[in-house]
Amino acid sequence: GESVGLHLPTLSVQEGDNSIINCAYSNSASDYFIWYKQESGKGPQFIIDIRSNMDKRQGQRVTVLLNKTVKHLSLQIAATQPGDSAVYFCAEISGSSNTGKLIFGQGTTLQVKP
Amino acid sequence: DTEVTQTPKHLVMGMTNKKSLKCEQHMGHRAMYWYKQKAKKPPELMFVYSYEKLSINESVPSRFSPECPNSSLLNLHLHALQPEDSALYLCASSRTTGLKNIQYFGAGTRLSVL
Repeated sequence: GESVGLHLPTLSVQEGDNSIINCAYSNSASDYFIWYKQESGKGPQFIIDIRSNMDKRQGQRVTVLLNKTVKHLSLQIAATQPGDSAVYFCAEISGSSNTGKLIFGQGTTLQVKP
Repeated sequence: DTEVTQTPKHLVMGMTNKKSLKCEQHMGHRAMYWYKQKAKKPPELMFVYSYEKLSINESVPSRFSPECPNSSLLNLHLHALQPEDSALYLCASSRTTGLKNIQYFGAGTRLSVL
């Protein structure tokens, strides 16, 4: 069945270090993946997305890597800052449908130590 | 502008009350969504509206009644809720429900049912 999951519920990193947040998915037909950041008291905020025909996509200080062979997705944050502290969710658009149905993983809490 | 506005930010209601949550966007998006998020959990889809028509109801109890009066507004009418319905209710919108349409979230309404 469809499920999207993260490997670790909490990740603690030192300010200035790089962070890597992982996500596994089970639906090999998944075509589109999104990373969201949710700060305390706020709604999820779009960070970056990637389609299944790509292996890597870069944004400002963030990189998403997709390994379709092992159905694994990761979000890399360079030079992590205190403002990066939040819960990070990977999400998948359900299959190839046009329903807009977004399936979220369980989330990883990123804690940045000063 | 990628703003989705939700009101009220906080709501406390008794089990016999009737209340409404409101959501507004002016991005010209034609898809709007309601999600429910419990503490330390990912958002869970409740309803999807596409071009002002309900396209997905994720088996939500009838005490939750969505309404889409026009393309910019989305309401969630609440009646006879239970304490377990206490949660953060998130609204989102996207250009359409098609693949690779980013969903933008509001800050949510934090609901407490007494």
